[in-house]
Amino acid sequence: RKEVEQDPGPFNVPEGATVAFNCTYSNSASQSFFWYRQDCRKEPKLLMSVYSSGNEDGRFTAQLNRASQYISLLIRDSKLSDSATYLCAVNPRAAGNKLTFGGGTRVLVKP
Amino acid sequence: SQTIHQWPATLVQPVGSPLSLECTVEGTSNPNLYWYRQAAGRGLQLLFYSVGIGQISSEVPQNLSASRPQDRQFILSSKKLLLSDSGFYLCAWSGAGGSYNSPLHFGNGTRLTVT
Repeated sequence: RKEVEQDPGPFNVPEGATVAFNCTYSNSASQSFFWYRQDCRKEPKLLMSVYSSGNEDGRFTAQLNRASQYISLLIRDSKLSDSATYLCAVNPRAAGNKLTFGGGTRVLVKP
Repeated sequence: SQTIHQWPATLVQPVGSPLSLECTVEGTSNPNLYWYRQAAGRGLQLLFYSVGIGQISSEVPQNLSASRPQDRQFILSSKKLLLSDSGFYLCAWSGAGGSYNSPLHFGNGTRLTVT
């Protein structure tokens, strides 16, 4: 089993709709969690950190479910510009700040 | 504010040739530095991790090496490139001190094609 797994998609989303997807991790001792956005042929950019209490930033909401070992990202009122690949990142180790990335979930927002 | 510079943006190299990619960070001291590789259609793979000058942790066995000659400079090298070395190479930094709650911030990346 991979340390961090994501549904590759694509998730085809009508403009204005809500989309949500998860990222599962295998190490229950994982300490920190993040969502990144990656546009085609570009570097990943930090979208948001995921806290135990959840995190909301505008139309984006991230949540952590430690019991089931997954994090989620929800995008409300999808915009065409939200089309991208969303990568989750997890620090599975207790020491050192090394992030393991999922393979990414591709989201396509269509008019 | 912190910035990270990575160059070149694209590179085409023949098999067997050497490689040197450079990354520098500005606006922070003693950052953790990273080299990741993203093969076509694949996820990000951590190659090297450094917590300080001369301190390099290699994450996977491979044809590459890394060096950190200065606090904010990280270099990825190879003596002889293989076809399998093709990919998108990303340098990243995070806050220092061994904190495991710091996100990574990536440079623009180098797209390497080995022919």
